Amino acid sequence: DGGITQSPKYLFRKEGQNVTLSCEQNLNHDAMYWYRQDPGQGLRLIYYSQIVNDFQKGDIAEGYSVSREKKESFPLTVTSAQKNPTAFYLCASSIDGDTQYFGPGTRLLVL
Amino acid sequence: GQNIDQPTEMTATEGAIVQINCTYQTSGFNGLFWYQQHAGEAPTFLSYNVLDGLEEKGRFSSFLSRSKGYSYLLLKELQMKDSASYLCAVTNDYKLSFGAGTTVTVRA
Repeated sequence: DGGITQSPKYLFRKEGQNVTLSCEQNLNHDAMYWYRQDPGQGLRLIYYSQIVNDFQKGDIAEGYSVSREKKESFPLTVTSAQKNPTAFYLCASSIDGDTQYFGPGTRLLVL
Repeated sequence: GQNIDQPTEMTATEGAIVQINCTYQTSGFNGLFWYQQHAGEAPTFLSYNVLDGLEEKGRFSSFLSRSKGYSYLLLKELQMKDSASYLCAVTNDYKLSFGAGTTVTVRA
């Protein structure tokens, strides 16, 4: 089946620890995106990539890093510099830069 | 900057009609999306408007007026499973900007 997968579903981070969230798609989409969702707020764009080996900062990139070494994969690292990482993280992909399709999300919690 | 406004909450009765409004002021505009998001789940695509007018898709319709910076999502014959958050999003240059979402509660 074609789709977008994210893992893990829940992730716990200790103080000062970097954690990496996985996002994989087999839809052959060029563009991929990472969003953060907090209660009562809209999705906010962290990073996006329009093509392999290229990515751009979104509106709230501080404390996060990404890589795009393969078309299918766009992992997000939440670094220790991100002081308020608790949120629901959503990955999306798009074939045309318009309609985005979302993965199931990863909920990150701080211990 | 991007400013996208929609009501926080709406409540309606099963079988009724509900209209969710969205107004936007953005630095660019390619089109407007509506997504549905059930609690704890990912958003799912509902509709995409590029040109002015009404797009109908089953029980859901979406309207766009670019000159007024206004859209609405119309949900007809409401069902309990329609209880969810509805997100309005504007696309410009490969990026989506989202409103905070409207939580619709359908009562029996």
